[in-house]
Amino acid sequence: DIQMTQSPSSLSASVGDRVTITCRASQSITNYLNWYQQKPGKAPRLLIYAASDLQSGVPSRFSGSGSGTDFSLTISSLQPEDFATYHCQQTYSTPWTFGQGTKVEIK
Amino acid sequence: QVQLVQSGPEVKKPGASVKVSCKASGYTFRSLGLSWVRQAPGQGLEWMGWINAYNGNTNFAQKFQGRLTMTMDTSTSTHYMELGSLRYDDTAVYFCARGEQLWAYLDYWGQGTLVTVSS
Repeated sequence: DIQMTQSPSSLSASVGDRVTITCRASQSITNYLNWYQQKPGKAPRLLIYAASDLQSGVPSRFSGSGSGTDFSLTISSLQPEDFATYHCQQTYSTPWTFGQGTKVEIK
Repeated sequence: QVQLVQSGPEVKKPGASVKVSCKASGYTFRSLGLSWVRQAPGQGLEWMGWINAYNGNTNFAQKFQGRLTMTMDTSTSTHYMELGSLRYDDTAVYFCARGEQLWAYLDYWGQGTLVTVSS
């Protein structure tokens, strides 16, 4: 199975900050990497697919980059509604594994 | 608009089975596959498996082999996930999520179904 490791596990940031979350795969997944946002008690929401493609309706302050084994999700200017947990997922090969999640909290 | 509506919460005893439904609407049911993902309390997301809605083929994570079944009813556009031989650590919220055909990203999700395993 491909292991997905996110860092950090949590972070504290202020509104307006630029935030970057990284995700590393245990082997190359080319660009089969997706990012989801999840708020407490809710289902995840797709933000980014294919490493860097923005899902329809997602604000442009979210961006993704990377290929191979190293990926990142960047929020250019953190907004109050962005405080949530972020998950990466590889869909290169089954089982389609997730990272452990990164919780973004208010500083 | 695309919607996935799941069945309600369940409480089951260890060793029992649970069947969760996921009714799809707003898209051509057989054109896209569906994954099931679970989340134990306070934990991350765990992909369980996927069903091809065109032909019913399935692909399961190894850890669920032998006790996981995924089926569908095309007449009602409903997917089903059945997990057997339940253990306490199967307590989780179970999500269905539509999978894009080529990249397999999960673009629409059900609201989740809490399954509690308790004696």
